[in-house]
Amino acid sequence: SQQGEEDPQALSIQEGENATMNCSYKTSINNLQWYRQNSGRGLVHLILIRSNEREKHSGRLRVTLDTSKKSSSLLITASRAADTASYFCATASLYNFNKFYFGSGTKLNVKP
Amino acid sequence: DVKVTQSSRYLVKRTGEKVFLECVQDMDHENMFWYRQDPGLGLRLIYFSYDVKMKEKGDIPEGYSVSREKKERFSLILESASTNQTSMYLCASSRYFVRDKDTSGANVLTFGAGSRLTVL
Repeated sequence: SQQGEEDPQALSIQEGENATMNCSYKTSINNLQWYRQNSGRGLVHLILIRSNEREKHSGRLRVTLDTSKKSSSLLITASRAADTASYFCATASLYNFNKFYFGSGTKLNVKP
Repeated sequence: DVKVTQSSRYLVKRTGEKVFLECVQDMDHENMFWYRQDPGLGLRLIYFSYDVKMKEKGDIPEGYSVSREKKERFSLILESASTNQTSMYLCASSRYFVRDKDTSGANVLTFGAGSRLTVL
């Protein structure tokens, strides 16, 4: 399998704190993306970082990418209860960038 | 503003039944995907299609087949459902991304709401 792994599997924090989740993957990639899934629903795209980028920001989200370590991290700053969801990283392979592989996800619980 | 529609949110089927999961997208996307999601295993790719009548196996195609007769519709078929196929099934679509020609766009996935299948 070309799936990646995420850690932690679950994360519980207080509102206002920062949440960091990590993703490791196995193959060379064209880009890496992060998605969010509210309970029992489909996934929603959050942010994309290309293989030649090291860091990207979008609102309260900050993504880093280290292709030498085949890893990425997603930081959510000043978390809110509404951020409670599962977060997945997905990679588009360098050799077939129309095909996406997902990690196992991090379940984030933000307590009010 | 629904862009990827999965025909059923919840299905209950019996072992041995033939099951059809339908997915329709209205974004004129070339690529369509079927994933299966199980607790602790994340999303696993079953099949994907990058054009009408074209399909490619993902990581776990055994026990499944697909059909793409029209660009907007991608069907997942369980020929003979088994209890280990009880799962959440997610359909997604994206543009076909040509690396050398497309420097501004991105092959981002748009997902449907999911179909939760229970096989008894």
